[in-house]
Amino acid sequence: KQEVTQIPAALSVPEGENLVLNCSFTDSAIYNLQWFRQDPGKGLTSLLLIQSSQREQTSGRLNASLDKSSGRSTLYIAASQPGDSATYLCAGVLDRGGSYIPTFGRGTSLIVHP
Amino acid sequence: GAVVSQHPSWVICKSGTSVKIECRSLDFQATTMFWYRQFPKQSLMLMATSNEGSKATYEQGVEKDKFLINHASLTLSTLTVTSAHPEDSSFYICSAVKGGSEAFFGQGTRLTVV
Repeated sequence: KQEVTQIPAALSVPEGENLVLNCSFTDSAIYNLQWFRQDPGKGLTSLLLIQSSQREQTSGRLNASLDKSSGRSTLYIAASQPGDSATYLCAGVLDRGGSYIPTFGRGTSLIVHP
Repeated sequence: GAVVSQHPSWVICKSGTSVKIECRSLDFQATTMFWYRQFPKQSLMLMATSNEGSKATYEQGVEKDKFLINHASLTLSTLTVTSAHPEDSSFYICSAVKGGSEAFFGQGTRLTVV
């Protein structure tokens, strides 16, 4: 069964730190991988989408990389701020027997304290 | 980028009533849509795959008679929670796949059954 795993499950850091959130998937036959942010009680906000042909994407203080061979993606957050506090989810469009289905990790809950 | 609209964003209903959630792809046709459910502090779990013009494929443990899915057109899928009970209170989100592999997500619907 295709799975997406996120490590760590929770993270609490002081403001200003650079952070790395990890996402791993069990099958290198991935079409794309997307990182989301979810605030408590809210919906998903798309942060970055990496196609399988790409190695990384950047948006502001966020940088996401994709390594298909190792089945890993990382989300790098530079100079973290309290406003970055949220749950970060990765979702990979994985091949499930010929059907390509977006599959979510369990998320990393991030708290950035002043 | 492509847009997926989900409506309503939140709904409160009485126990025993039915609630319909709509998922529309606004600027592309989606032959396949996915419905997810998120319990508090849990990840988004796939409930079913909705295919235009045919019956939905439900994941193991999801009651098809309780969660009715209709994908009547290439731009609209609906999820109806029938005879809702408090344990059905959750966050529901849909995804529409463009071009066979690129997934776009609705903002989600928070259902509260009282």
